[in-house]
Amino acid sequence: DAGVIQSPRHEVTEMGQEVTLRCKPISGHDYLFWYRQTMMRGLELLIYFNNNVPIDDSGMPEDRFSAKMPNASFSTLKIQPSEPRDSAVYFCASTQGLITDTQYFGPGTRLTVL
Amino acid sequence: AQKITQTQPGMFVQEKEAVTLDCTYDTSDPSYGLFWYKQPSSGEMIFLIYQGSYDQQNATEGRYSLNFQKARKSANLVISASQLGDSAMYFCAMRDYTGGFKTIFGAGTRLFVKA
Repeated sequence: DAGVIQSPRHEVTEMGQEVTLRCKPISGHDYLFWYRQTMMRGLELLIYFNNNVPIDDSGMPEDRFSAKMPNASFSTLKIQPSEPRDSAVYFCASTQGLITDTQYFGPGTRLTVL
Repeated sequence: AQKITQTQPGMFVQEKEAVTLDCTYDTSDPSYGLFWYKQPSSGEMIFLIYQGSYDQQNATEGRYSLNFQKARKSANLVISASQLGDSAMYFCAMRDYTGGFKTIFGAGTRLFVKA
């Protein structure tokens, strides 16, 4: 069974451009999470979905960030406009419906905003 | 409130020796799950081992074991017979009902295995 799939793996863009990160969770997983990892702040939860519905977006840094999950097999994280401080590794993760279920991570997208 | 603490920013271990990575947690929920992840230099987050709060025995997965001391709220990861490939960042994480499905992560411990 395929794991969590993210694209692109690397993204280099210029300040002010729109960036869209994509994620396909593991089939059958009810929950999807978006994280951001930086050296300074570590691993931060940005937003998570349950059955395609956003449950908690309190970690989204500001209005420039938005996330959608139009169906059970696809989610996007969009940054518009992007800024250099958005440079980070963005992870998508998914899990099934129990507190005790393991959360599996995608390979991450390394974003560099120049 | 939920909290995960990893007090060792970095550790060294000699190849073939055992090493313990510390993790303490705080929660008021009786039901929770504890997880350890490995992040090698390539960047991916790899799930290693899980311990449930009601599990009577310490979890083991190959060379990984979790030293679960519930009263002390500690969930230390023990790696036996360290290998050079174990050099990585290690994260302790927890999920409970109060936090919903938020999994909170510790700051991590960077392990260096010396030949």
